[in-house]
Amino acid sequence: NAGVTQTPKFQVLKTGQSMTLQCAQDMNHNSMYWYRQDPGMGLRLIYYSASEGTTDKGEVPNGYNVSRLNKREFSLRLESAAPSQTSVYFCASRTGSNNEKLFFGSGTQLSVL
Amino acid sequence: GQQLNQSPQSMFIQEGEDVSMNCTSSSIFNTWLWYKQDPGEGPVLLIALYKAGELTSNGRLTAQFGITRKDSFLNISASIPSDVGIYFCAGFNYGGSQGNLIFGKGTKLSVKP
Repeated sequence: NAGVTQTPKFQVLKTGQSMTLQCAQDMNHNSMYWYRQDPGMGLRLIYYSASEGTTDKGEVPNGYNVSRLNKREFSLRLESAAPSQTSVYFCASRTGSNNEKLFFGSGTQLSVL
Repeated sequence: GQQLNQSPQSMFIQEGEDVSMNCTSSSIFNTWLWYKQDPGEGPVLLIALYKAGELTSNGRLTAQFGITRKDSFLNISASIPSDVGIYFCAGFNYGGSQGNLIFGKGTKLSVKP
């Protein structure tokens, strides 16, 4: 009954460092998403994947890359972290049925110094 | 682009009071979702709505899909301290891309015991 699992929960990086945020879902959903949440800005879409093997840019993709490794896993990579990428990151997966639902992970709080 | 206007931005209420919040858009949506987010956690789905005029309850929470399909309302009856958090709406428009899921910026609820 895990749903959407994200790791790590917290991360501190120095400017220029790289890291990968991991996400996995056990609900057999096709579509997965990465969002960032900043005060006053709400949730903004970074990248999404409609199905295994496909990825598309969202509203704020610059500075990020993604990999849809398989149906379960969708990772987000910061190649060269910048202070502007300090944020809370959420992974989500979508049912894709007629009765749509979107389920979120518990988030990764990232600080770039 | 599409936007969701969520109001109020924040509410300070006394325990036991009822709460109402709403989301409006200039665009039509096929699905409305309501979430609650606690500090340091991911958004948790409270209620999903799929038909214009639909009224759905989840315990003390009741949400409605507006007749025009451009708005939705969430009511919380007899508030308690654990209702504290940020509530936000999300709308799906099937006519758009896979990533066409729009979020409101949230209503921050504070409850005085």
